[in-house]
Amino acid sequence: SSELTQDPAVSVALGQTVRITCQGDSLRSYYASWYQQKPGQAPVLVIYGKNNRPSGIPDRFSGSSSGNTASLTITGAQAEDEADYYCNSRDSSGNHRVFGTGTKVTVL
Amino acid sequence: QVQLVQSGAEVKKPGASVKVSCKASGYTFTSYGISWVRQAPGQGLEWMGWISAYNGNTNYAQKLQGRVTMTTDTSTSTAYMELRSLRSDDTAVYYCARDATVTGIDYWGQGTLVTVSS
Repeated sequence: SSELTQDPAVSVALGQTVRITCQGDSLRSYYASWYQQKPGQAPVLVIYGKNNRPSGIPDRFSGSSSGNTASLTITGAQAEDEADYYCNSRDSSGNHRVFGTGTKVTVL
Repeated sequence: QVQLVQSGAEVKKPGASVKVSCKASGYTFTSYGISWVRQAPGQGLEWMGWISAYNGNTNYAQKLQGRVTMTTDTSTSTAYMELRSLRSDDTAVYYCARDATVTGIDYWGQGTLVTVSS
């Protein structure tokens, strides 16, 4: 399968922890990258590889993977973390990239 | 700093073609690929394809095969995406993004809105 499935929406209280998951068969072979997208803006890479943050991304963002599921965790969510989050990886052939369906994170 | 600057918004009629440009700066253009990603209004991200800026090899999403062509001009560090036989459901913001083997898609252009309407 070339699909990556995410929960459509999650909410988290300010300062609490939220985990966003991404499921797909190809994740057994390939790491996922994670992107944050705010309204009207281009996506921003927040996690890549096993658990790597680009320069400038706060350390409250972390990634993990197990079996066919990749996860993005925000520990101590802030108001500015409210956004859509997308996972991205390769399909099972390894030749194409595929994005997850996206998760809208609301910080209460 | 890495920058990807895209061409401006376009309005096209159904059946027409559109060509979007993406000028890269701040890195060695031929050391990375370029992926193109689109986002229809209110929808998620859709990967369209990839081109190697090193040798021009391409890899297109199956649903766009035959309608999309990606090219690069290494003399100007510019990537292009042409989409033909436009339909109303091609209305979207089109992004170019730097694509690296290790980090995957890391830097994004600002996006180009393409509207297909009669």
